[in-house]
Amino acid sequence: ETGVTQSPTHLIKTRGQQVTLRCSSQSGHNTVSWYQQALGQGPQFIFQYYREEENGRGNFPPRFSGLQFPNYSSELNVNALELDDSALYLCASSLGQGFAEAFFGQGTRLTVV
Amino acid sequence: AQRVTQPEKLLSVFKGAPVELKCNYSYSGSPELFWYVQYSRQRLQLLLRHISRESIKGFTADLNKGETSFHLKKPFAQEEDSAMYYCALRYSGGGADGLTFGKGTHLIIQP
Repeated sequence: ETGVTQSPTHLIKTRGQQVTLRCSSQSGHNTVSWYQQALGQGPQFIFQYYREEENGRGNFPPRFSGLQFPNYSSELNVNALELDDSALYLCASSLGQGFAEAFFGQGTRLTVV
Repeated sequence: AQRVTQPEKLLSVFKGAPVELKCNYSYSGSPELFWYVQYSRQRLQLLLRHISRESIKGFTADLNKGETSFHLKKPFAQEEDSAMYYCALRYSGGGADGLTFGKGTHLIIQP
């Protein structure tokens, strides 16, 4: 059984650019959630995907968007990057809707300069 | 809006001493509370949830709706308990179904 994997591990982008982060969910999991964790803060819920559809969204602007693929892997896209988007982005996968235990990836560290 | 507060950014105790990490929440619905832990260089993982009422690695947490608290306790701290601890609240409604996390408490167990 493979765990949640995220890529890349680190990346640096320039303000105004666009970025795509990727997540492979744990084997058998059909729900993926994305979180943003700024330095010194707890993770903040961005959105959740269940069976390829957005299932819920936190307080993030539309330039944060996502996709889930038939194999349940997922992408987080951020357009028009701002300096405050610098953070650790976490992906978590779980089985089903509602809240089964979520398993987190190791995160992608995004730095916007 | 829902909120989770962990008042202590850092908590340092000696090995063998009791540990209590505080967590308070505000939520208008019926809360589901969790504790997550992150050991050094490891990913975030679930420690325990209030609905299961279980003890994991000697830790327990009781949901007190009157005080809106979900404090994490362990009677005798061990060095391997040193980690970052996050309290989280599950909320649903308005199309969202996610976790609201507190800012975390860094627990250091001194030998």
